[in-house]
Amino acid sequence: QKEVEQNSGPLSVPEGAIASLNCTYSDRGSQSFFWYRQYSGKSPELIMFIYSNGDKEDGRFTAQLNKASQYVSLLIRDSQPSDSATYLCAVNPGGKLIFGQGTELSVKP
Amino acid sequence: AAGVIQSPRHLIKEKRETATLKCYPIPRHDTVYWYQQGPGQDPQFLISFYEKMQSDKGSIPDRFSAQQFSDYHSELNMSSLELGDSALYFCASSPRTGLREQFFGPGTRLTVL
Repeated sequence: QKEVEQNSGPLSVPEGAIASLNCTYSDRGSQSFFWYRQYSGKSPELIMFIYSNGDKEDGRFTAQLNKASQYVSLLIRDSQPSDSATYLCAVNPGGKLIFGQGTELSVKP
Repeated sequence: AAGVIQSPRHLIKEKRETATLKCYPIPRHDTVYWYQQGPGQDPQFLISFYEKMQSDKGSIPDRFSAQQFSDYHSELNMSSLELGDSALYFCASSPRTGLREQFFGPGTRLTVL
């Protein structure tokens, strides 16, 4: 079992809809969690981080963390075709990032 | 805002050759991380440096070595290259404070023929 698990997708949503991306992790000691967006052939781009239980909102993005369930999610409201990318969930156990396999999101016009 | 700089952006080598990848972190970031991303895979941590000392080591082959210099730039040296080393190599840097979130450079695409 990977330390960080994501549904690989692809997840397809229509333009304007809410995209919901999910991630589970195995190390209960994990303290901080990150969402990166990666376009094909490009580098990961940090879009959100969260370390407290609950929700954190930044523009169209909301990260949700439930440490009891070892679950992290990312909601993208009003999805745009430009949001089409792979979204990587990562945990940070003492410095290095451990990534999930990524969820490919496709937003259809 | 200044970003992480990596060079070269593309590199083509033959098997058994050597390669050196360079990384210049964001100013005032003291930690540098190296990751390898194969086709269709997630980035895998290789090695990190904090204040010029190795701070953590991941799945880095013995053929690879790295160091961080006094100006905080880092170099990843790869010897006896194999076909399986073909991948994207990313460098990331993180600041001294906060959650030490990592910001990635544009990457070096290494192709071994």
